[in-house]
Amino acid sequence: KQEVTQIPAALSVPEGENLVLNCSFTDSAIYNLQWFRQDPGKGLTSLLLIQSSQREQTSGRLNASLDKSSGRSTLYIAASQPGDSATYLCAVNTGNQFYFGTGTSLTVIP
Amino acid sequence: DAGVTQSPTHLIKTRGQQVTLRCSPKSGHDTVSWYQQALGQGPQFIFQYYEEEERQRGNFPDRFSGHQFPNYSSELNVNALLLGDSALYLCASSLLPGTGTGLIYEQYFGPGTRLTVT
Repeated sequence: KQEVTQIPAALSVPEGENLVLNCSFTDSAIYNLQWFRQDPGKGLTSLLLIQSSQREQTSGRLNASLDKSSGRSTLYIAASQPGDSATYLCAVNTGNQFYFGTGTSLTVIP
Repeated sequence: DAGVTQSPTHLIKTRGQQVTLRCSPKSGHDTVSWYQQALGQGPQFIFQYYEEEERQRGNFPDRFSGHQFPNYSSELNVNALLLGDSALYLCASSLLPGTGTGLIYEQYFGPGTRLTVT
């Protein structure tokens, strides 16, 4: 069974810092990996999707990388802002099911 | 272009009751997946519907059932509610690879339905 782990569980940084969120998965046979943002009590907003054949994707201040062979993905956030405060979730798609990590709760302090 | 919509937003039920949650997919999408998210946890996959059939199912009991209609909208039904069923229920829509432009297989989520069982 695929297991997805996110480290750290919580992170607090001052505004302007660059930061890295980590996601690891146990089975490298994935179709794609998707990073989401979730605000308290709300649904999920897709940030980036990386296909299994890709190494990275970029959108604005966000960059996500994928190393399928080692079962790892990172989400890099540049020049963090208070509005980035949220929980960040990664999900791997095996083609049959989607498996989520438990998320990293990010607080950006003004 | 309307995104994924879910109804109701909030729901309070009593143990033993039954509940039906509804989801309308993003325009052009043909696949609907349902997730349960307990407080402080990541979403857990319940099942996925495609062409009105249950395509895949996660590790949830038969009390959880669903349906997909010809217009691709979907319902999630939970019978004999337990306190542990209290959670945020999320619906996601997508296009399966090979269908239309579904090469990417990206999921789009609705705002969720908050179910509280007392």
